[in-house]
Amino acid sequence: GAGVSQSPSNKVTEKGKDVELRCDPISGHTALYWYRQSLGQGLEFLIYFQGNSAPDKSGLPSDRFSAERTGGSVSTLTIQRTQQEDSAVYLCASSPDRVLTAGYTFGSGTRLTVV
Amino acid sequence: AQKITQTQPGMFVQEKEAVTLDCTYDTSDQSYGLFWYKQPSSGEMIFLIYQGSYDEQNATEGRYSLNFQKARKSANLVISASQLGDSAMYFCAMRGLRSQGNLIFGKGTKLSVKP
Repeated sequence: GAGVSQSPSNKVTEKGKDVELRCDPISGHTALYWYRQSLGQGLEFLIYFQGNSAPDKSGLPSDRFSAERTGGSVSTLTIQRTQQEDSAVYLCASSPDRVLTAGYTFGSGTRLTVV
Repeated sequence: AQKITQTQPGMFVQEKEAVTLDCTYDTSDQSYGLFWYKQPSSGEMIFLIYQGSYDEQNATEGRYSLNFQKARKSANLVISASQLGDSAMYFCAMRGLRSQGNLIFGKGTKLSVKP
């Protein structure tokens, strides 16, 4: 597609429920990243996919968070047993390769509210 | 560890004047890239400008320029002739070999342009 697409744009869920957030990167971009942005804060790295390599999961805050990327394209971030502190905007980004100068293209994010 | 520091939580500037947003970084990588992103109230992250650690000249993109002082580990963003549409959050970010390609972000500076 023309840009990085994320869905849903907004999600309200009850504490304890599981949620799935979807990211559709730019066609041909081999790298895909998930970040979390809490209110008034910077971006916190969560997970990084590069081609067929094993993902870098070093930023995931707990084992309730997981992500997968199917066929090297669409990615799903899953949060199990959501907690109120999970409320944030979840941003997905993609880039064409691992060249240092390659910038990221971000999606518009999913605003998650846990009530 | 890699770190980005933005010491100005908020800045005000008069329309048509220039403004400098501060960014310092810490890294032991010899090769790295520095980025600035703009995030308007709509939430999207917009890439503004890139500076490579080995670039001898400061990067410029239209009204944006990056004042790169390598010895001071400083990468300040200069916006000339501010416009009302420049009001947004601005994030400095770095990408180095040790971070395996992940962008590490500062906490951001909120810029407000006064008419």
